[in-house]
Amino acid sequence: GAVVSQHPSRVICKSGTSVKIECRSLDFQATTMFWYRQFPKQSLMLMATSNEGSKATYEQGVEKDKFLINHASLTLSTLTVTSAHPEDSSFYICSAGGGQGGGETQYFGPGTRLLVL
Amino acid sequence: GEDVEQSLFLSVREGDSSVINCTYTDSSSTYLYWYKQEPGAGLQLLTYIFSNMDMKQDQRLTVLLNKKDKHLSLRIADTQTGDSAIYFCALSGGYQKVTFGTGTKLQVIP
Repeated sequence: GAVVSQHPSRVICKSGTSVKIECRSLDFQATTMFWYRQFPKQSLMLMATSNEGSKATYEQGVEKDKFLINHASLTLSTLTVTSAHPEDSSFYICSAGGGQGGGETQYFGPGTRLLVL
Repeated sequence: GEDVEQSLFLSVREGDSSVINCTYTDSSSTYLYWYKQEPGAGLQLLTYIFSNMDMKQDQRLTVLLNKKDKHLSLRIADTQTGDSAIYFCALSGGYQKVTFGTGTKLQVIP
């Protein structure tokens, strides 16, 4: 299957700082990437849909000024958590659509665990 | 919006079959997926089925879809300890936007 990487895998930061998470599709071009958040023992919640070269589409309740998404190329999307607070601590997972599984298949990255102190 | 429900927990003995169930509300879903998540890790796509299919088998995995009852299941034959994980069903009704179920934690007892 297709490979999607995320960097960093874990990050600890102080409250008020910004954190950037990268999502890369390594062996295919992804016109659309998705960002999810997963709280402990809960399911994944879609935060936003990122389209290459255009503004991201945010789900209801997700602050676009707090979670900045940039999809500058067909293989890279970034999520920046601005002025992070402890309640932003979560597991952030990206996915990329496409690859060999067909147009509807999403391939997920390994996730980034964010802890805000 | 779409509601996707799963039972929270399933415990089976090694070698037995596991059946993980998923019910959903939106009948327009086109693709139905099963993902596996091991502790602290991302999601691994196990298999998926198109909405015009009733069944799909892939080695130890069998997916059954009952569109009338809006019920999806994943059967794992000869369950192994390495199958212990959280399993998510997920549905896509349009181009690529996916809704995840609540997840079922599978515990395999040696």
